[in-house]
Amino acid sequence: GESVGLHLPTLSVQEGDNSIINCAYSNSASDYFIWYKQESGKGPQFIIDIRSNMDKRQGQRVTVLLNKTVKHLSLQIAATQPGDSAVYFCAENPRATGRRALTFGSGTRLQVQP
Amino acid sequence: GAVVSQHPSRVICKSGTSVKIECRSLDFQATTMFWYRQFPKQSLMLMATSNEGSKATYEQGVEKDKFLINHASLTLSTLTVTSAHPEDSSFYICSAPSGQGNFGQKLFFGSGTQLSVL
Repeated sequence: GESVGLHLPTLSVQEGDNSIINCAYSNSASDYFIWYKQESGKGPQFIIDIRSNMDKRQGQRVTVLLNKTVKHLSLQIAATQPGDSAVYFCAENPRATGRRALTFGSGTRLQVQP
Repeated sequence: GAVVSQHPSRVICKSGTSVKIECRSLDFQATTMFWYRQFPKQSLMLMATSNEGSKATYEQGVEKDKFLINHASLTLSTLTVTSAHPEDSSFYICSAPSGQGNFGQKLFFGSGTQLSVL
């Protein structure tokens, strides 16, 4: 969904713990989803993607889960490190609309406490 | 991954002046590029789609005469903020798709331009 100008929700975790960041998407026609990491003053950086015909995909220390029934996406980060501190956005590509641009969710700030 | 270069990274200008932001795909060609705007503590909002060799497509509510987009080549798109005002102060980010991602349309982003209009 689109941001409505609210402050970003913050998730604070201890170094070494696992983090789970959640995202609700709005368009049931979306068939491709991406998680991005954005550090302060920088552009978004690709983390992991998943297609709608999958419900789970794993990368290095990260796992994305997709629940199409409730239109929910989550990003799990294992053994969270201080360098993981950033804002995380989910993005969806509603290919059925023919658009190639991504629509971004509102974002979650992850703070890793040493 | 593919590299998108964006310049300048930061610009401060007086109200009423125009500012040009460049976005280049360094190791791939991009017939399409996307321009996003991001206000503090908010998400990225798509402003327009830049198309090489044709007119840009603007999102609803974005003034095309104020935000001029030129996609002169397969590796360069520019966004010009004309007659900038303080309310135009924002973080502007360009992006380009590099072929297909693992499954779909993966976008690579520039490093962003922080525009401050005094």
